[in-house]
Amino acid sequence: SQKIEQNSEALNIQEGKTATLTCNYTNYSPAYLQWYRQDPGRGPVFLLLIRENEKEKRKERLKVTFDTTLKQSLFHITASQPADSATYLCALNSGGYQKVTFGIGTKLQVIP
Amino acid sequence: GAVVSQHPSRVICKSGTSVKIECRSLDFQATTMFWYRQFPKQSLMLMATSNEGSKATYEQGVEKDKFLINHASLTLSTLTVTSAHPEDSSFYICSARGKTGGGNQPQHFGDGTRLSIL
Repeated sequence: SQKIEQNSEALNIQEGKTATLTCNYTNYSPAYLQWYRQDPGRGPVFLLLIRENEKEKRKERLKVTFDTTLKQSLFHITASQPADSATYLCALNSGGYQKVTFGIGTKLQVIP
Repeated sequence: GAVVSQHPSRVICKSGTSVKIECRSLDFQATTMFWYRQFPKQSLMLMATSNEGSKATYEQGVEKDKFLINHASLTLSTLTVTSAHPEDSSFYICSARGKTGGGNQPQHFGDGTRLSIL
């Protein structure tokens, strides 16, 4: 069966360190993968998109990698800040180019 | 840019009531809108995809007569939960995707509607 796995346990990290979140998938062949941030009681906010032919994408303190052989994406936040505390969702296209399926998300807590 | 407004943010109503939720793209034209529901500590579950001017495509297990979706214009989609019951209580979130760029463009989400049925 198809699965998107994110570590559902919360990730606690000290301010200033690099946070690394993992997204693994099974039985998908996504053309692209996206990362979103979701704060409690709010809708997700788009952060980054990476295509299957791209290995890495950066945006300010964010970096995403995409390994289609390992079927894994890593999401990094460098120099993390307490304001980065949120749940981070990975999403990939499934069942056609238009539809996107979301993982359960990983809750990140940056400790001052 | 790319702001999506969802209204109301919270609804509490009695069992048997029908509830309408609106989703508007404020500064872009949304050819496609998506409706999700999210239970606590669970992922977003896609309920249906709607394209402007055509009927919505519902995901397996979602009752189309229960969750009526209308996407009458390029900036507005509505979800009506008909004859709501306590098991329909959830967090409903809409998202919209613009005209340009095709299917791999990001979705822009509203802030969700917390629906509580007593």
